[in-house]
This record gives sequence, structure tokens and C-alpha cells, in this order.
Amino acid sequence: EVQLVESGGGLVQPGGSLRLSCAASGFTFSDHYMDWVRQAPGKGPEWVGRIRNKAKSYTTEYAASVKGRFTISRDDSKNSLYLQMNSLKTEDTAVYYCTRDCGALRCNDYWGQGTPVTVSS
Amino acid sequence: DIQLTQSPSFLSASVGDRVTIICRASQGISNYLAWYQQKPGRAPKLLIHSASALQSGVPSRFSGSGSGTEFTLTISSLQPEDFATYYCQQRDSHPITFGQGTRLEI
Repeated sequence: EVQLVESGGGLVQPGGSLRLSCAASGFTFSDHYMDWVRQAPGKGPEWVGRIRNKAKSYTTEYAASVKGRFTISRDDSKNSLYLQMNSLKTEDTAVYYCTRDCGALRCNDYWGQGTPVTVSS
Repeated sequence: DIQLTQSPSFLSASVGDRVTIICRASQGISNYLAWYQQKPGRAPKLLIHSASALQSGVPSRFSGSGSGTEFTLTISSLQPEDFATYYCQQRDSHPITFGQGTRLEI
């Protein structure tokens, strides 16, 4: 059974940093591209960014709203995905989801339960 | 960026009804469109990918169609568990974008 479990969310002040983790199991993690998607309270989902697999040199893509502040990384030996968030703003307040990319089918087929991040003074 | 506009934003229906949700893209995206269902406090769940392909385990009352800039999600006979919010997502190009959602209520 595919499982994605996020952790690391919490309350942080504007300008602060936070590192989210996602533990993956039930599939060959190293084969898949992985995405982070967030959802602000009462809003629709917003794609945050992607990290590709080793075959694609672990290249990354980011939404314009987080580029230069957020960094996605992965450790295939630990089946883990990370999101390092720096210079946090109040508008980054959201539930952050770790998702698995479907590959050629172009979708996100598995999602974690999400971890909430609140940026407030 | 590719904008996705869903209509309606809110839909009131009854058990047994047939409903259709529309998603329009600001430019052509071939068939690179997915549909998700989200219930309160839960993560989105994939229903359909590639505009019309039903994800494994999703009931056959859900169907999708379209190509280019206009897409539809149809639920043929609403069941109580279908009352939720539905989002479309384009996977044609980065950044990946979502529609604003359609809230389906009894």
C-alpha cells in the first residue's frame, strides 16, 4: 500500500524557516518524480514544486510564488522527500501535501494527509 | 501560466441527479487534464487523468471528456458520498495549475 506521511509543520514567525519531511512507503520511491502541493485555508490547491528522479538528475521546478525561498530535495536511500522553506511570509500559511507524480499519465495519484504550516507573529 | 476556470463554482443537487462540471483552459492543453475530489479535512483524491481515463477504484458513474481548452466531469447518478469539492488540474506545462473548484452540495 502506497503511503506518504508528512511531518514538520507548525507555527513560525514571518521571516522564519521550516523544513517539512515526507516519508514514502509501498512503492519504489526512487523511480518517481515527487511534488509538493499546498492549500491555504478556504482556497484551492496550489502546486509548489517538483523534484525529478535520479535519471533526470534530480532537477527541480518551483512556482513563482516560492522560487528562491523554498528548496525541494530528496533522499532515495531513506525514501524521503523534503521541503526547506525560508523567508516565510504570512501568505505561505497552508496545509502542505506531499504527492506522487503519475509519470506519463500526468497526474498526482497519491497524496499524504498534509501538514499544516502557520506563518504568524 | 495556464489559467483554469471551472463552472459553476457552486452546485446544488440531489441524490440520483446527473451533474456536469466544466473546466476551461486559457490555452490548449491537449488532454493533459486531471480531476480531483476533495472532502473537508482530507487530501484531494484523483478521479480522472488524461481528461477521460478513470483512475483505478473510482466508480464508473464518474466520467470525463474534452480536449484542447474545454473539459467536463460528469457524475451520472449522484450518491451521498459524492457531495464534495471538485478541482481540475492541468498537466500540460509548468507551472502546474488548478481550477478554483466546484463545491457540490445537497
